[in-house]
Amino acid sequence: DSGVTQTPKHLITATGQRVTLRCSPRSGDLSVYWYQQSLDQGLQFLIQYYNGEERAKGNILERFSAQQFPDLHSELNLSSLELGDSALYFCASSASGLNEKLFFGSGTQLSVL
Amino acid sequence: QKEVEQDPGPLSVPEGAIVSLNCTYSNSAFQYFMWYRQYSRKGPELLMYTYSSGNKEDGRFTAQVDKSSKYISLFIRDSQPSDSATYLCAMNARTGYSTLTFGKGTMLLVSP
Repeated sequence: DSGVTQTPKHLITATGQRVTLRCSPRSGDLSVYWYQQSLDQGLQFLIQYYNGEERAKGNILERFSAQQFPDLHSELNLSSLELGDSALYFCASSASGLNEKLFFGSGTQLSVL
Repeated sequence: QKEVEQDPGPLSVPEGAIVSLNCTYSNSAFQYFMWYRQYSRKGPELLMYTYSSGNKEDGRFTAQVDKSSKYISLFIRDSQPSDSATYLCAMNARTGYSTLTFGKGTMLLVSP
C-alpha cells in the first residue's frame, strides 16, 4: 500500500458529463501529481500541485482542471467528457516536490460511454 | 521520435531466468533515471532510482545507465512469477520541480 488514496476506483459516465476524481496524498507529502494512462499514450503527466499551488502543467486539456486544498487532498475535474477521455487516472504524491520518487495511488478507471 | 522508447513486449521467460529490460532516450539533458513496476490494475511503484551513468544494485535488481549511448537497462536475476508486471522507465533533467517522462512500459511474464 503506497499510502495514496484515490476515489472512486471506477467511474462510468456519458459523453458531455462532468466528473470529479479525488486524491489523498501520503501523510506529510506536500506535492500531488495527476497522470493519465492509456494504452496508446502510456503514462502522461497532467498537472502538479505543491502545498496548494500549481507547480507544473503537462498535457492537460482545457476541459480538465485540478486543485489542491488546505488539507492537501486534491481533486481533478473533468468536464464535457469525450469517448477519448476514457483512461486510468493516477494520483501520485512525493515529499517536498522531489518528483523522481513518486508514490502512486491505485487509480480511477474512467469509462465514458 | 518520442523522447523515451521502450519495447512494449510481452517478454516471456521461465522462472529463474535473467531478464533484461531496456529504454532508449533522445534528450541528453536527462540525468535522473528510474524504474517503476506496475502490476495489473495497480499504480506504478518505484523500484530503482539512479543518477547519471553507472550501475546500481538492489537485491535481484540492477539498474544500469549509459548516458553516452542514451540507454538504460534493468536486470532482474533469478526471476520469479511474482515479477510478472509491466516495467516503466522514467527520467528527468533535474531534481526539484521538473516533470518525469515515462516510457510506455514493457510487459514481463515469468512462467513457473
